[in-house]
Amino acid sequence: GQQVMQIPQYQHVQEGEDFTTYCNSSTTLSNIQWYKQRPGGHPVFLIQLVKSGEVKKQKRLTFQFGEAKKNSSLHITATQTTDVGTYFCVPPGGGADGLTFGKGTHLIIQP
Amino acid sequence: EAQVTQNPRYLITVTGKKLTVTCSQNMNHEYMSWYRQDPGLGLRQIYYSMNVEVTDKGDVPEGYKVSRKEKRNFPLILESPSPNQTSLYFCASSLFPDSRSTEAFFGQGTRLTVV
Repeated sequence: GQQVMQIPQYQHVQEGEDFTTYCNSSTTLSNIQWYKQRPGGHPVFLIQLVKSGEVKKQKRLTFQFGEAKKNSSLHITATQTTDVGTYFCVPPGGGADGLTFGKGTHLIIQP
Repeated sequence: EAQVTQNPRYLITVTGKKLTVTCSQNMNHEYMSWYRQDPGLGLRQIYYSMNVEVTDKGDVPEGYKVSRKEKRNFPLILESPSPNQTSLYFCASSLFPDSRSTEAFFGQGTRLTVV
């Protein structure tokens, strides 16, 4: 499968602050998926981006797919304690390889 | 309700005692896979299956076996568990393994401790 670099690996924010995680690829991606894993939970699908320059919103979460389809970002506005967890950007699998999740970005929120 | 069911959720076992973690999905998905999650290492794929009787190694297959005799079930077998297999395990399924897939569904996880 294709590889992406996700940064930062850890992010501490005060509750109410904004948060952004970035996902970069050296190759063009046909799509990118985002998942969230709460502490003690399992990864849950959030969204899939397919189109160049696509921007999708889910309440306080904004997902972007770069114009060149080589990068993506997730921005959370005014974080809440319910946003705590690990966010994974997942490139499409390479045929039978399936989905590569990597290390993700751990969001820690201080009240 | 669409779901992936793993059992058991928690397991403590001794070195060398064979164990099986079961995984079942009710979505008629072709693709199933197993991951292990360790602190600082993220989710790493152990084995995957494209369909019935078709399985292949992922990134960290050593010490594990799988089988896919039915489409809905994909058990993970540890023939002789060792302490370095202490980890959190997830089973996942999706309609397809590649870019055609809309999303992967995960089981609740199995926390395994080998002493």
